[in-house]
Amino acid sequence: DIQMTQSPSSLSASVGDRATITCRASQGIRNDLGWYQQKPGKAPKRLIYDASSLQSGVPSRFSGSGSGTEFTLTISSLQPEDFATYYCLQHNSYPLTFGGGTKVEIK
Amino acid sequence: EVQLVESGGGLVQPGGSLRLSCAASGFAFRSFWMSWVRQAPGKGLEWVANINQDGSEKHYVDSVKGRFTISRDNAKNSLFLQMNSLRAEDTAVYYCARGVTAGAWGQGTLVTVSS
Repeated sequence: DIQMTQSPSSLSASVGDRATITCRASQGIRNDLGWYQQKPGKAPKRLIYDASSLQSGVPSRFSGSGSGTEFTLTISSLQPEDFATYYCLQHNSYPLTFGGGTKVEIK
Repeated sequence: EVQLVESGGGLVQPGGSLRLSCAASGFAFRSFWMSWVRQAPGKGLEWVANINQDGSEKHYVDSVKGRFTISRDNAKNSLFLQMNSLRAEDTAVYYCARGVTAGAWGQGTLVTVSS
C-alpha cells in the first residue's frame, strides 16, 4: 500500500498569511493526487486534482504542485473561510489512500 | 447541479448488516466511476470502495473485503454499499463520491455499530 505522509498535522496562521501543506508518498505516484478541504460537520470538497489543476469554482489563492513523491498545497493569502482541515488523496494504485490531514487554525 | 444524497445509516449491533444507498442527480451517472469514503468520529478520511461505470470492476480497502459489497443501478442513478458482519470499527460517517478521485461528495450518512 502507498502511505501518504502529510505535514504538518496542524498549523496556526493569521488572515493574510501564506500556508503550505506537504504530502509525501511512500513511492512514486506520478501526478495522481488530489487535495480536499473539510470544514467541521461538512463533507469534504475537492480543491485540486491531478496535483496542480484547480477545481472549477475554487479561488485562485489555492494552488498545488509536485509530482512523483512530494506534493504541496499552497494557500497564498489565508482568508477566514479557509480555516479548515485539508487532506491529500493518492489515486495511483489501490487501495487509494488519504494523508492524515492538516488542521489550519486561526492564530 | 451535481447532487449526491446518502441514506440507510443508523444504529446496528456488531455482526449485523446495513445497506447504504446514494441517489445521484445532475450528471450522467452511468458515465462515472463511483466511490464510498468513510470518516470515523474525530478521525481522518478513509477510502472504502469504488466501482466502474458498468459495475464490472470493483475495488475495496482490505479491512472491508469479504464483508462489504459495492454495487450500482444505472437505471435508477443509484449507488449502494451492502455492509455485513459489521464491527465497532466500522462506525463512521459514510460518504458517496463521484469518480475515482471524489470530485463531488454527498453529505454523508452515519453508521453506528454498537451493542
